[in-house]
Order: sequence, then structure tokens, then C-alpha cells
Amino acid sequence: GEDVEQSLFLSVREGDSSVINCTYTDSSSTYLYWYKQEPGAGLQLLTYIFSNMDMKQDQRLTVLLNKKDKHLSLRIADTQTGDSAIYFCAEKGSGYSTLTFGKGTMLLVSP
Amino acid sequence: GAVVSQHPSRVICKSGTSVKIECRSLDFQATTMFWYRQFPKQSLMLMATSNEGSKATYEQGVEKDKFLINHASLTLSTLTVTSAHPEDSSFYICSANSGTGGGDEQYFGPGTRLTVT
Repeated sequence: GEDVEQSLFLSVREGDSSVINCTYTDSSSTYLYWYKQEPGAGLQLLTYIFSNMDMKQDQRLTVLLNKKDKHLSLRIADTQTGDSAIYFCAEKGSGYSTLTFGKGTMLLVSP
Repeated sequence: GAVVSQHPSRVICKSGTSVKIECRSLDFQATTMFWYRQFPKQSLMLMATSNEGSKATYEQGVEKDKFLINHASLTLSTLTVTSAHPEDSSFYICSANSGTGGGDEQYFGPGTRLTVT
């Protein structure tokens, strides 16, 4: 089946930039998503990118997509302690409505 | 916009009883809703896809007679865990497709923590 991989942990200092990386295997992916999950809560959709785009920026968030290498990244500028959470990468294949999730990256922001 | 709610947020039940979890899309209609299960420090595992007015589609390995899904309206899907056992203890999350933003976004509910004693 399709696979989505993420590094498990990232630690940064407040004010620095954070970059969370994700790789996927489905070459027919149409949309790729980033979700944020705080402890004990559901998932919050942060942003998504269509597979024919290279970059999407939304305030402090920048998504980069390298379709050739099947690599997706999420950059959070000026990271705050409130950004500490687990970030999930997910992809949706062509013709499917279901998402395939990575295992999540725990981001820890220290003051 | 695109808010999904779940009820209850937390439930503790005895082994052998059944528990119903509701998932509602509050400000949009969702023809498709999804039910996930999440174990501690793990990713989401899709259990089933719920389509309004038709039978749910279950993922391989998920017992449809144990996890009953009903999608009675465009804003409500329910998951009933029948004859619950301690191994069913988990975090259950639903999501719904809004289909309005161009990205076929799935919006997630806040989750339901089920503990079976």
C-alpha cells in the first residue's frame, strides 16, 4: 500500500524557524495536507497543496513540494511555544477520498 | 467555517456494554464522513468510510459487526462500539469532507476518548 514517512521528533527554540519533512510513495497523489494535533484533541487542518504546485505560503506557514522526489515540507516561521504539537502529513491519491497519514512529527518549542 | 463536533468527548464503560459516538458537521453538509482510531503516539488508522444513505465501507481488518456505523443524514454519522472490551480502548476521531475549498479538505472532530474497564 501507499506509505507516508515523517521524522518523529523536532526540537527548536522560540523564534527560530521549524522545518518538518515528509516523504510519500504514491505518485498519483493529488493533494497533500498538513494537520496539527494538540494533546487530547482532534486534528486541525493547517494547509494543503495541490500536486501541481511547488510552493504555498500562508502567513507563517510555507509548504514546499518536490514532486519528483515525492518530498513535502512544512516550514513554520518565528516558531512559538503554542506551536508545540504533533504535525501529520497526509496524502490523497487520485480517485480516492481517503487520506494516508504519516506517523506524525512531535514539535517541541522551548522558550 | 467547517466545524466538526463529536459527542461525547470522553466515555468510560464496562466491558460488554455498547457505546455510541456521534459525529456532526455543524456548518456544512457532508456526504462522506470517516472514522479513525488512534493509539497513543501513533498515527490515525482509518476504520471506515461512511456515506450518507448507504452502507459504510470498512477497511480490512475492521469488524463491521463490532463497529456499527450509521450515516443517517448529511450532518450526522454515528459509530457504535458493540460489546466493548478493554482492547477497544482508544481515541476515536471522525472527519468530514467539506468539498468546498477546492482541496477536498477533511475536517476533523475533536475526538472521543473511550476507556473500557
